[in-house]
Amino acid sequence: GAVVSQHPSWVICKSGTSVKIECRSLDFQATTMFWYRQFPKQSLMLMATSNEGSKATYEQGVEKDKFLINHASLTLSTLTVTSAHPEDSSFYICSALRQGAKFFGPGTRLTVL
Amino acid sequence: DAKTTQPPSMDCAEGRAANLPCNHSTISGNEYVYWYRQIHSQGPQYIIHGLKNNETNEMASLIITEDRKSSTLILPHATLRDTAVYYCIVRFDSGGSNYKLTFGKGTLLTVNP
Repeated sequence: GAVVSQHPSWVICKSGTSVKIECRSLDFQATTMFWYRQFPKQSLMLMATSNEGSKATYEQGVEKDKFLINHASLTLSTLTVTSAHPEDSSFYICSALRQGAKFFGPGTRLTVL
Repeated sequence: DAKTTQPPSMDCAEGRAANLPCNHSTISGNEYVYWYRQIHSQGPQYIIHGLKNNETNEMASLIITEDRKSSTLILPHATLRDTAVYYCIVRFDSGGSNYKLTFGKGTLLTVNP
């Protein structure tokens, strides 16, 4: 099946710093990628839709200036959590669309101290 | 997108078939049924999807009732590695940037030795 990778798999940072998470489609081109967030014991929540070469579309309640998304190529989307705070600690998961189905990355565990 | 109802948890013996039900009584004619699963601390994994015909792939079978108000995901020979939360999602297949998956609470399937 399609493979989507994320880097890093986990990151610990200090409050106030910025963290960049990469999402790559390894064996296919993805014009559209999606970013989700999952808090402990909760389900996945869609944060934004990332479109190659254009601005991302954010879900209601997600701050676009805090969660910067860049989709500069057909195989790479990045999510930057700016000025991270402990409440941003979560599991961030990206996905890419291929042939009618979404394929998900393995996720990135962010812990903000 | 139509809402779905799944039991919160199920148990299955290793080697036996696991049958996971899903109710989607408000599904409309152009909405598909998708199944994903999420193993602990990993990204969701696509399993299968269908519109009205039964579907089978190397992972599972999807049985959709004739009135399409419910479906069953069948794992023919469950293994310990199939222990995961299984999500049944119904969505209109518009593709592209409108492709949104709304994750509910899913069913925690525990496969016991």
